[in-house]
Amino acid sequence: AQKVTQAQTEISVVEKEDVTLDCVYETRDTTYYLFWYKQPPSGELVFLIRRNSFDEQNEISGRYSWNFQKSTSSFNFTITASQVVDSAVYFCAHFSGGYNKLIFGAGTRLAVHP
Amino acid sequence: EAGVAQSPRYKIIEKRQSVAFWCNPISGHATLYWYQQILGQGPKLLIQFQNNGVVDDSQLPKDRFSAERLKGVDSTLKIQPAKLEDSAVYLCASSLDRDREAFFGQGTRLTVV
Repeated sequence: AQKVTQAQTEISVVEKEDVTLDCVYETRDTTYYLFWYKQPPSGELVFLIRRNSFDEQNEISGRYSWNFQKSTSSFNFTITASQVVDSAVYFCAHFSGGYNKLIFGAGTRLAVHP
Repeated sequence: EAGVAQSPRYKIIEKRQSVAFWCNPISGHATLYWYQQILGQGPKLLIQFQNNGVVDDSQLPKDRFSAERLKGVDSTLKIQPAKLEDSAVYLCASSLDRDREAFFGQGTRLTVV
């Protein structure tokens, strides 16, 4: 089955703390793509990263980093030195040709307090 | 580059009425999606187009929902008749191709009373 699980419903941290958002996926395909999106209070989904299944290198972009582990079917997202502006709902998503559709997890609501 | 445009932004209707949403994707994007996002949940795919053909509509309640993509560009999503449980944000997105990142519009917030 094609499935994306974000087990953390809500996370609350204090500014400058590091925080990791978990994403576990299920797929029968060997070629697939994983994504992370941010949905701030304004509501519009903002694309953050796309990763294909053959590239297991970790990626870093400023304070954001992503850890892709095929062995555990996980694609976790870490924010270093969190800021209030990071407060949002974060979604993990999956696409593969076998299912031919882009599906999303339930999301993790991150609240960063001053 | 212009983003995905959706209208209207908000709509309030009574149950059993009909409503239509419009989406203009990013120019050149072959794939167009309609998602339904109920408060507190992740986006649920209703229908996915590749150019003007339907790729997946397995979760579209076809007895009341319909969608079309005109000439492989703009798209409309219609609900007729609406039910209370259709209250949600309807998101349109587009991508260069199916395996590429999708870009989202601002959404239409529908309230059915």
